[in-house]
Amino acid sequence: AQSVTQPDIHITVSEGASLELRCNYSYGATPYLFWYVQSPGQGLQLLLKYFSGDTLVQGIKGFEAEFKRSQSSFNLRKPSVHWSDAAEYFCAVGSIQGAQKLVFGQGTRLTINP
Amino acid sequence: SQTIHQWPATLVQPVGSPLSLECTVEGTSNPNLYWYRQAAGRGLQLLFYSVGIGQISSEVPQNLSASRPQDRQFILSSKKLLLSDSGFYLCAWSGGSNQPQHFGDGTRLSIL
Repeated sequence: AQSVTQPDIHITVSEGASLELRCNYSYGATPYLFWYVQSPGQGLQLLLKYFSGDTLVQGIKGFEAEFKRSQSSFNLRKPSVHWSDAAEYFCAVGSIQGAQKLVFGQGTRLTINP
Repeated sequence: SQTIHQWPATLVQPVGSPLSLECTVEGTSNPNLYWYRQAAGRGLQLLFYSVGIGQISSEVPQNLSASRPQDRQFILSSKKLLLSDSGFYLCAWSGGSNQPQHFGDGTRLSIL
């Protein structure tokens, strides 16, 4: 069965600092991987996705993620965070068949210090 | 462009009352549709998904049911709400395989 682990429940970084959010997945075949962001009381917005090809994926808002098959990881990065990046971030793995159900990690809450 | 609408945004219901949450998608046809629940401080749990009209798959046994009476309409229901049904409910759609899911703004359900 698919599973996703986000080891960090809460991360605090200073504005302008770099960011890396960790995501490890378990899946028996080539995974489809996603990062979503959720502001308080809102739905989830897709940041980026990996289906195949280049393992470094660019997303919206200056985010990128790198797929590392050997480490079963799909970490999210941003070189310089802005106060508006404070939110909850979810990594998800999806199946390629049928309804393409997603399994989500528990999320990482990002706080930005001014 | 495609849009997804969920309503109501917030709902306060007494224990034992019925529930109906509605989700509609515009700008696409035959989408895959999903209902998730998000408990406070936790990730998303898939409740139901549908690949077509009248086709509903349940992921977890619970006090809720789902229906898809029209191609782009997905309804989450309950006959009698429990305290444990409180949470944030999210509807999502996708264009099928190889497509990401896109989420509505959610419904905050509080059971008193």
